[in-house]
Amino acid sequence: EIVMTQSPATLSVSPGERATLSCRASQSVSSNLAWYQQKPGQAPRLLIYGASTRATGIPARFSGSGSGTEFTLTISSLQSEDFAVYYCQQYNNWPLLFTFGPGTKVDIK
Amino acid sequence: EVQLVQSGAEVKKPGESLKISCKGSGYSFTSYWIGWVRQMPGKGLEWMGIIYPGDSDTRYSPSFQGQVTISADKSISTAYLQWSSLKASDTAMYYCVTTGYCSGGSCNHSPFDYWGQGTLVTVSS
Repeated sequence: EIVMTQSPATLSVSPGERATLSCRASQSVSSNLAWYQQKPGQAPRLLIYGASTRATGIPARFSGSGSGTEFTLTISSLQSEDFAVYYCQQYNNWPLLFTFGPGTKVDIK
Repeated sequence: EVQLVQSGAEVKKPGESLKISCKGSGYSFTSYWIGWVRQMPGKGLEWMGIIYPGDSDTRYSPSFQGQVTISADKSISTAYLQWSSLKASDTAMYYCVTTGYCSGGSCNHSPFDYWGQGTLVTVSS
């Protein structure tokens, strides 16, 4: 079983500031790591896949990095619409196993 | 444009059965696997299982194996998630998702590209 952890659980950031979210896997998932954004009352949406590739329509202020067991999502300059919960997910054992992290809530400082 | 449209909210009693649906449009239904994700109230995301509508190959998360049944009818581009006997702990939002674009007999290993709007299932006596 691959366990995903995320830190911090909550990140308080002022609009315009940079946000850095971390995700760790209990064993290597290569670059098979995705990030999702979920706003209240909405379905999640895919932001990043392959650890660093932005999904269609995702603004350039979102960037992902890392491989193996350590990953980072960076939001370069937070906009009001970016305050949400962010989940990482590994899909290294596709189609047998997909594991989400517990999420990081980004709220307004 | 890929769209996944899910059936409406359900309110059920413990012990009742239920089948919810997810209709795909805007793409070849047999080109993607379809999965289901649970989100309990105020909690995170949990993968339940996926199915390839082309041949009904189905994979379940160990946490959900034997608890639910995933199926698909490619003739109407619809996937299903069903319970034979609901419990109060099944109360959650359920999302369908696409993953793994397939072409020429091989599939991309991909995350959950597209999401349905969610179906809220409430189980209460």
